[in-house]
Amino acid sequence: ELKVEQNPLFLSMQEGKNYTIYCNYSTTSDRLYWYRQDPGKSLESLFVLLSNGAVKQEGRLMASLDTKARLSTLHITAAVHDLSATYFCAVDRDTGNQFYFGTGTSLTVIP
Amino acid sequence: EADIYQTPRYLVIGTGKKITLECSQTMGHDKMYWYQQDPGMELHLIHYSYGVNSTEKGDLSSESTVSRIRTEHFPLTLESARPSHTSQYLCASSRSGAEKLFFGSGTQLSVL
Repeated sequence: ELKVEQNPLFLSMQEGKNYTIYCNYSTTSDRLYWYRQDPGKSLESLFVLLSNGAVKQEGRLMASLDTKARLSTLHITAAVHDLSATYFCAVDRDTGNQFYFGTGTSLTVIP
Repeated sequence: EADIYQTPRYLVIGTGKKITLECSQTMGHDKMYWYQQDPGMELHLIHYSYGVNSTEKGDLSSESTVSRIRTEHFPLTLESARPSHTSQYLCASSRSGAEKLFFGSGTQLSVL
């Protein structure tokens, strides 16, 4: 059974601080995705990581992928309130037909 | 910007009713998906489709059914709704290959 686990599940951090969210997965996959979900809203794609060592950055968020360790990280730099949301990582099986989502990390940035 | 639409946005119905949740996309994507999400929880795949006339069940057991008669349309039907079906249902689509998912705005279903 494919498992995608995120750590931590809940994160409360002050504005201006840095933090990292971790995503571990149990299957062989070279592709990992990060999504953001605001309360009561749908999911929005943030990053698509397609190979070992891939690193992508957008604003205060940076995502990386280590396929050997089956680990992806989402690093937050100098957090601001607008980043408050739930962040999901997702892995697709080699067939590319099914996406499996992590448990989600609920981030709250406190002024 | 994604062009994937779900209707209705909210639905409250009584037990035993038959309902269909609509999902349409105008991007020409081959693959479409239905996910179920309880508040504050992860997404669970309930159905997916590779293309027209292709449907598969996901890992989460579901009493719903889907059809894919046209590329752009992937409706989900519950023959007899129960309170345990109360949840948010998210439709998504992607091109073939390693592509990200585009999500609809979701249908929040409440069964009384």
